[in-house]
Amino acid sequence: EAGVTQSPTHLIKTRGQQATLRCSPISGHTSVYWYQQALGLGLQFLLWYDEGEERNRGNFPPRFSGRQFPNYSSELNVNALELEDSALYLCASTKIQGMNTEAFFGQGTRLTVV
Amino acid sequence: AQSVSQHNHHVILSEAASLELGCNYSYGGTVNLFWYVQYPGQHLQLLLKYFSGDPLVKGIKGFEAEFIKSKFSFNLRKPSVQWSDTAEYFCAVNTRGNYQLIWGAGTKLIIKP
Repeated sequence: EAGVTQSPTHLIKTRGQQATLRCSPISGHTSVYWYQQALGLGLQFLLWYDEGEERNRGNFPPRFSGRQFPNYSSELNVNALELEDSALYLCASTKIQGMNTEAFFGQGTRLTVV
Repeated sequence: AQSVSQHNHHVILSEAASLELGCNYSYGGTVNLFWYVQYPGQHLQLLLKYFSGDPLVKGIKGFEAEFIKSKFSFNLRKPSVQWSDTAEYFCAVNTRGNYQLIWGAGTKLIIKP
């Protein structure tokens, strides 16, 4: 069974540009979570999508947005990039079964803003 | 608001030392509890989880954790660490009615050979 896949693995952008990151969940998983892992700051929750809808978002500005497609894959868009957006962006997928949800993570996209 | 606290941001131990990493959460209802590990250069992976039943949970690589409901804690333990346990460890919780995982800030564990 394929795991969570993210693309690209590395992305270099200049300040002010837009970045698009992609995530394909494990087959059968309907929920996708996006996290930012900046150096020394742990996992910061960005967005949660389930069944195509945004269920919750973290404390990030509106220039962080995303969507989930009918096949449950997801995109994270970051507009007007700033230097401090440089981080590892992680995607996780889950299959909600009551409360017993275990998240599986992708390898991440390393975004560098120069 | 629900939160998860990991008491130590950095822990340095020698090989064969015993390990205990603290995790406390703030929620009075039913919870699921998780410990994830991120080895250098690798993606996050599940170490162990508690859903119900025996509060002492055994995970991979000799790790275990004990759910103490009265203390809102889910501390991670290993009797004798190895150099290969060097990694960052994250505690996470989700609650009935809110499937979203709430994460601790992580603990960086360094094992000296």
